[in-house]
Amino acid sequence: RKEVEQDPGPFNVPEGATVAFNCTYSNSASQSFFWYRQDCRKEPKLLMSVYSSGNEDGRFTAQLNRASQYISLLIRDSKLSDSATYLCVAPMNYGGSQGNLIFGKGTKLSVKP
Amino acid sequence: NAGVTQTPKFQVLKTGQSMTLQCAQDMNHNSMYWYRQDPGMGLRLIYYSASEGTTDKGEVPNGYNVSRLNKREFSLRLESAAPSQTSVYFCASMKAYEQYFGPGTRLTVT
Repeated sequence: RKEVEQDPGPFNVPEGATVAFNCTYSNSASQSFFWYRQDCRKEPKLLMSVYSSGNEDGRFTAQLNRASQYISLLIRDSKLSDSATYLCVAPMNYGGSQGNLIFGKGTKLSVKP
Repeated sequence: NAGVTQTPKFQVLKTGQSMTLQCAQDMNHNSMYWYRQDPGMGLRLIYYSASEGTTDKGEVPNGYNVSRLNKREFSLRLESAAPSQTSVYFCASMKAYEQYFGPGTRLTVT
């Protein structure tokens, strides 16, 4: 099982829709997770952190299910500007790589008018 | 603050040529990273430096070398470029699990 897995999409949704992405992780010892956003031909940027059961920031909600080892990102009332690739990220917690991050391959979201 | 800067933004090399990608951060972070990003592959770690004076291999180090010149600067060198090294290269620095990325270098090797 790969360390961080995401549905690559693309998710094509109309403006105003609610969309959810899931991400599964393999290292049960991981304590914190992250969602990064990457616009086309740009660098990734941190969107949200998830340290316990969940985190909410405006239209964005990230949730963590430790029992099933998955993280979700919910976007409500989608805007055209939400179109991007969303990367699920988990920390490495083993060996000499502690502190490094494992990036999922990303889920592409396209919000249409 | 400029954050993380990278030079050059674009580069075309012929097979066998060498070049160095430069990266600098002004956030006083200890950890710095080099990734490559290819379509369908996601971000893959090439090398990282947990602190000034140390460097370690990541997932895909073959064909690359790095230098942590000081706390601010972390360079990536391709000694003999190959077409398989055509990619977008990102440098990042990190504090408390948040990574800050540079704008990337788009490298094409012909």
